Formats: sequence, C-alpha cells, structure tokens
Amino acid sequence: ELQLAESGGGLVQPGGSLRLSCAASRFSFSSFWMSWVRQAPGKGLEWVATIKQDGSETYYVDSVKGRFSISRDNAKNSLYLQMNSLTGEDTAVYFCARDVPTWFDPWGQGTLVTVSS
Amino acid sequence: DIQMTQSPSTLSASVGDRVTITCRASQSISSWLAWYQQKPGKAPKLLIYDASSLESGVPSRFSGSGSGTEFTLTISSLQPDDFGTYYCQEYNNYPFYSFGQGTKLDLK
Repeated sequence: ELQLAESGGGLVQPGGSLRLSCAASRFSFSSFWMSWVRQAPGKGLEWVATIKQDGSETYYVDSVKGRFSISRDNAKNSLYLQMNSLTGEDTAVYFCARDVPTWFDPWGQGTLVTVSS
Repeated sequence: DIQMTQSPSTLSASVGDRVTITCRASQSISSWLAWYQQKPGKAPKLLIYDASSLESGVPSRFSGSGSGTEFTLTISSLQPDDFGTYYCQEYNNYPFYSFGQGTKLDLK
C-alpha cells in the first residue's frame, strides 16, 4: 500500500518558522509531482503548494507565496514545506499528497500546525 | 481563480437512500473534476476523477457525472460507512487547484 507520513508540526509563535516533512514509501517518489494541502480547524481543504518531479518547478497559492517554500529530496523519498512568517491563519492540519498529476492520491495522515502566542 | 461551490452544505439521509451532491464551477472546467470523501480526523480519500471515472476499490454505488460547470456525485444506496464530508476539486488550471467548501453527509 502506498504510504505518506508527515511530521514536523507543532505549536509556533506568530512570526515564527516551521519545517514540515513527508516521507514517502512503496511508490516511485521521484516519478511524481507532489503537493501540500491544508485544512484549518473545522474548515474545508485548501491547496497550498506543488512541486515537479525534479524540483525544477514550484507553485503556490497566493496566500503563502513568498513565505512558504516547497522542496524535495528524491534520494531520501522526502517532501518538505518550509513555512516562515507564520500567522494564525496558517493554523491547520497539513497533508502531503501525491499529485497524480491533477488529482491527489494518496494522502498522508496530516500534521497539525498551531500558530499562537 | 476558479471558484467551486457545493450544495447542499449539509445533508441528512438514511441508510438505503439515494443521495446526490452538486458541485458548480465559476467557469467551464471540462471534465477536470475529482471527488473525495473525508471521515473525521482522517485524510481525504479519492472516489472519482475526470468527473466520472471510479477510482479502483471504490464501491460501484458511487458515481459521478457532469461536464462544463455542473457536476454531481451520486450514492445509489447509502451505506453506514458512507457518512462523512465530501469535497469536489477542480484541476482545469493544473497545477493550480481549488476545492469546494464540502458537503457534510450525516445520519437522519
């Protein structure tokens, strides 16, 4: 079964930074686009960022552009999300997902990021 | 940006009911639409892609239809495991994506 496992979430103060990781297994990680999708508490899903197989192209939702950076290490089968200048509006569960491309499957279990003083 | 609007926002139904959820796009997205099911505290699960293609392993009581700006997800005979929240997602402007706000399906 394809697997994605996020880590790195936690409590961070407004203006702080956090780096999320996503470990992939049981599929050819380097062959797929990958994405991050978030879900604020009690809210719907919001696409955050996407990266091409070789990392040469990255795309972001406007609300995180300039603050978040998506990257990957194909040798380690890992995806990352560097989040800077965090605000309360970034509080959410962050899911990594394989971008088939165009739809997302599978998804990881998510990691909670809470931005609060 | 493409806006996706789902209706209803909440739906109460009984086991055995036929259920339909609608997703409307603010502009034509051809058939570039997926549907997901999410249970509380869990990751979304892909049900349908390309508007009407059933993901492998998903029960045949789920079906999708539509093109252009209006789409539907139908559950032909609701089962106890089908309760949860359903989301549509467009990928017409891949790799920029948007989701509907969700439809919560609960037990009447």
